[in-house]
Amino acid sequence: SQQGEEDPQALSIQEGENATMNCSYKTSINNLQWYRQNSGRGLVHLILIRSNEREKHSGRLRVTLDTSKKSSSLLITASRAADTASYFCATEGNRDDKIIFGKGTRLHILP
Amino acid sequence: DGGITQSPKYLFRKEGQNVTLSCEQNLNHDAMYWYRQDPGQGLRLIYYSQIVNDFQKGDIAEGYSVSREKKESFPLTVTSAQKNPTAFYLCASSVAGVNSDTQYFGPGTRLTVL
Repeated sequence: SQQGEEDPQALSIQEGENATMNCSYKTSINNLQWYRQNSGRGLVHLILIRSNEREKHSGRLRVTLDTSKKSSSLLITASRAADTASYFCATEGNRDDKIIFGKGTRLHILP
Repeated sequence: DGGITQSPKYLFRKEGQNVTLSCEQNLNHDAMYWYRQDPGQGLRLIYYSQIVNDFQKGDIAEGYSVSREKKESFPLTVTSAQKNPTAFYLCASSVAGVNSDTQYFGPGTRLTVL
């Protein structure tokens, strides 16, 4: 399976600190996306990184992709209470046309 | 106000009953998707449709059925054949039927079987 696996499963940090989440996957991909889900809500797309890209930024978000290690990381800088949510990576393989979601990292920002 | 809506937000069903979850989008998207999410888990694809009058099974289609008679609408029926239907159901849409596009999600329907 090409399912992404996020690490850690849960993370608690103080407001203002940086939060780093990782995603590992098993097979070659076309791209990898990160989504956020607030409790009991739908998912919101954050950022997409293609297989030929190594790093992308969007506001306080920084995503890296290492295809040799089959891994990606999501960094949220200067965390805020509103960042409390679950974060999922989603991979699109280059052999089929499905997106596979990981189980997510639950991020809790402490005041 | 463009977006994707799901109704109802909460749904309760007795065992043995079929129930239909609504999903509507006014984003003019061709592709629509249904996912199931269980507590502490990721999303699993139930069905998807890349164009009107066409749909394909996802990874866990057994016990579910869909229709795509209109571009805007992609209702999901949870049948009595679904052995463990209690879950959070999410509908999504994307511009085209290629999965590299961003998916836009509805707010979800929480189904509980009593």
